[in-house]
Amino acid sequence: DGGITQSPKYLFRKEGQNVTLSCEQNLNHDAMYWYRQDPGQGLRLIYYSQIVNDFQKGDIAEGYSVSREKKESFPLTVTSAQKNPTAFYLCASSITSGESYNEQFFGPGTRLTVL
Amino acid sequence: KNQVEQSPQSLIILEGKNCTLQCNYTVSPFSNLRWYKQDTGRGPVSLTIMTFSENTKSNGRYTATLDADTKQSSLHITASQLSDSASYICVVGGIQGAQKLVFGQGTRLTINP
Repeated sequence: DGGITQSPKYLFRKEGQNVTLSCEQNLNHDAMYWYRQDPGQGLRLIYYSQIVNDFQKGDIAEGYSVSREKKESFPLTVTSAQKNPTAFYLCASSITSGESYNEQFFGPGTRLTVL
Repeated sequence: KNQVEQSPQSLIILEGKNCTLQCNYTVSPFSNLRWYKQDTGRGPVSLTIMTFSENTKSNGRYTATLDADTKQSSLHITASQLSDSASYICVVGGIQGAQKLVFGQGTRLTINP
């Protein structure tokens, strides 16, 4: 059963805490992405990775960090430096990132709430 | 500035009726335009994709049109079903790669019985 999974589905964070969101794919895709979705706004790119051990900042990378140690995994850490982290976070993957025509397959999302 | 604007923001129709969602974009240079369907609390799922040389693409009851000259696209839903209740997102890609996709804010469609 191929696909992209995210965990947890819901996550609660206290002020000043770092939290890590998991993203795993078994589609054998080279490229992976993290987006943030806020009400009334389009998805915004946080980080993306074109290949293992490489990643690039997106439009809103401040307060976030990522790693890409394995092809299948692209975890996102929301640090205490992120001032407004409450949002719906979506992970996606595509065959490559060099061609925008390639479909991005999205995970089910993680809803992060700061208490 | 590259932008994608969708209208209306929300729409309510009765089951069985047709509807059309609009997308205007300023992304340049243009490569492709995709429509996604996103159920509440889930990730988006691709419905159709069109390049600049295509002006219509269908996927079952969903038909997308593209006018690259006016930079407009529409998504027409025929004989709506309760399961069509979702947000529909227009996404425009340029030639610079997937990291430069521009997402619209979505249209929230509600189908009432």
